[in-house]
Amino acid sequence: DAKTTQPTSMDCAEGRAANLPCNHSTISGNEYVYWYRQIHSQGPQYIIHGLKNNETNEMASLIITEDRKSSTLILPHATLRDTAVYYCIVVNAGNNRKLIWGLGTSLAVNP
Amino acid sequence: EAQVTQNPRYLITVTGKKLTVTCSQNMNHEYMSWYRQDPGLGLRQIYYSMNVEVTDKGDVPEGYKVSRKEKRNFPLILESPSPNQTSLYFCASSSAVGGPYEQYFGPGTRLTVT
Repeated sequence: DAKTTQPTSMDCAEGRAANLPCNHSTISGNEYVYWYRQIHSQGPQYIIHGLKNNETNEMASLIITEDRKSSTLILPHATLRDTAVYYCIVVNAGNNRKLIWGLGTSLAVNP
Repeated sequence: EAQVTQNPRYLITVTGKKLTVTCSQNMNHEYMSWYRQDPGLGLRQIYYSMNVEVTDKGDVPEGYKVSRKEKRNFPLILESPSPNQTSLYFCASSSAVGGPYEQYFGPGTRLTVT
C-alpha cells in the first residue's frame, strides 16, 4: 500500500479556505485517495475520496493532480469546528479495505 | 440514525482480568474492523472481518481475539490484558460490496490496564 506525506500542522483563519496538501508519489492505479478527520480523540470521520477526477461534496473538495502523485483537500470556508487532525490515506480497492494511517495534519482554525 | 456503537466508553482494569469491548453497527455492513490509537503511532489495525464467521489479523493482533457470529456485532476480547494494551480503541464498519467504501467509526473506548 502506498504511503502518504502530510505537513504536521497548519493554521487557517476562520472563514477562509483551508488547503491541506498530501503527497502520495507511490500510488498505484487501483488505489484511491481518502480523507478523514479526527476531532479531539473522537472517532475518525470520513470526508471525501477520489480516484482520478476532482471530487466535491457538502464538506469539502478534493483536487488530485493529473499524475495522481499528490492531492489537496479544500475546506472552502473553514469554521472553528473544522479544527481537527486531517488524514490523507491511500486505499487499495481490494478486499482488505485496510486503512494505513499516518499522523495527519493538525489544522487549527483561528478566530 | 446510522451509527457504530462501542461499550464501554471508558474502562480501567487490572493486568490479567479478561475483558470484552463490544461493537455494534446498524447499517448492515459486511466489513468491520478494530483499530488502536497510540500517541505518535497513529491508528493501527488489530483485526478485521469481511463477513459473518470470517475474521483475519491486522497489523497488531497479538493479545487480542475477535468473533463475528452476527453481522451487526464484532466484539474485541482481551483474554489477559497487559499495561501495553492501554490505548484508545476504535471499531469501524463499511460496506464490502464493490468499493472501496468509506468506513464509519465508533466513538472510541479508552482502556487503561494497570
